[in-house]
Amino acid sequence: GAGVSQSPSNKVTEKGKDVELRCDPISGHTALYWYRQSLGQGLEFLIYFQGNSAPDKSGLPSDRFSAERTGGSVSTLTIQRTQQEDSAVYLCASSPSSGRGGRQETQYFGPGTRLLVL
Amino acid sequence: AQSVTQLDSHVSVSEGTPVLLRCNYSSSYSPSLFWYVQHPNKGLQLLLKYTSAATLVKGINGFEAEFKKSETSFHLTKPSAHMSDAAEYFCVVTGGGRRALTFGSGTRLQVQP
Repeated sequence: GAGVSQSPSNKVTEKGKDVELRCDPISGHTALYWYRQSLGQGLEFLIYFQGNSAPDKSGLPSDRFSAERTGGSVSTLTIQRTQQEDSAVYLCASSPSSGRGGRQETQYFGPGTRLLVL
Repeated sequence: AQSVTQLDSHVSVSEGTPVLLRCNYSSSYSPSLFWYVQHPNKGLQLLLKYTSAATLVKGINGFEAEFKKSETSFHLTKPSAHMSDAAEYFCVVTGGGRRALTFGSGTRLQVQP
């Protein structure tokens, strides 16, 4: 079946502009994650959604970053007033569940959105 | 708290020779451990995972890893490297109810002809 898809694949924006990044998880997957991959910081967790529960926002680097997940499926990551240090590849992943009972479900990653802030 | 250290940022091997990518972890809980691979301009792909079953885990493309609790290690091996194995490899840890993955800094594997 189809994997995780992300759009756009590339985004160039000017400092101070807002951007929206989209993620379509694998159909039926209830857990959705956003990560960021940058040269200086490596791969780091941003935010996690599980069903209708309140999201885990503990990885968001500042209040300029926010995300929502509509209808338990598609998710949008929004970065307001972008800064040059926001330039990175933003990765989305989904998994079948949150791994209840302590079992860690495999996370399946999308191809990422490469963001460049000029 | 949990963390993972990949001991080599770059590894270069000749085609047909063994591959060893080293990973040490730190976790306050019984960890789940993964190896992911990222080919240039491609997404992350799961190679294998350890979730407290057998300590020797076999993955795709001939890779395997052994969980050694006494050494807090989860090294990735392959008996014979292929040119298509050239990529970046990430060791990943999670556990203790935390669902987000904690990534190592990555090891870039070069395979020489």
